[in-house]
Amino acid sequence: DAKTTQPPSMDCAEGRAANLPCNHSTISGNEYVYWYRQIHSQGPQYIIHGLKNNETNEMASLIITEDRKSSTLILPHATLRDTAVYYCIVMIYNQGGKLIFGQGTELSVKP
Amino acid sequence: SAVISQKPSRDICQRGTSLTIQCQVDSQVTMMFWYRQQPGQSLTLIATANQGSEATYESGFVIDKFPISRPNLTFSTLTVSNMSPEDSSIYLCSVRDRGDGYTFGSGTRLTVV
Repeated sequence: DAKTTQPPSMDCAEGRAANLPCNHSTISGNEYVYWYRQIHSQGPQYIIHGLKNNETNEMASLIITEDRKSSTLILPHATLRDTAVYYCIVMIYNQGGKLIFGQGTELSVKP
Repeated sequence: SAVISQKPSRDICQRGTSLTIQCQVDSQVTMMFWYRQQPGQSLTLIATANQGSEATYESGFVIDKFPISRPNLTFSTLTVSNMSPEDSSIYLCSVRDRGDGYTFGSGTRLTVV
């Protein structure tokens, strides 16, 4: 069963913030939220991950709701090169750390 | 982060044959993961391979169809057996890095004719 649900597609204007939502209402206390992206069927690229606190790195910010049932990935200044499929993923910590991928959001950044 | 070399990058195979995909990592890792990505779809976990023990398969995947070897901490193989056109997919291996990120191989694009 899917652990996460995401909108299938989104558009964003170049230079604006891209906010990608994800629902994970059945997430357990020791399951992390990861975000990856995939460009042109290359191997997925790591973006960010978190457990319950908001996280920020050089690529993006991750906002996790207090009840942990949803999160938002924020790309602060989207560029054309950010056009990709973005996957919201649950990491099952006590099962070897396996990743369960959602269906992904295809983000199109437009000039 | 780890660097993964996955071979072959692509292949076209006859139905009924088998293909073995290799995944070589530049550092020792405990867990390796194998995924399938069917055309236009997300990644689906096939199995988790821990060195020194049998792989753990996800629901819908069986060892007879997807045997996995994990002879040491830097190498693993996935075999797709008795192939049919429905096995046409991208197969990817992945490892968990020390920093809690995961690195993926570049994938093997398999076409079964």
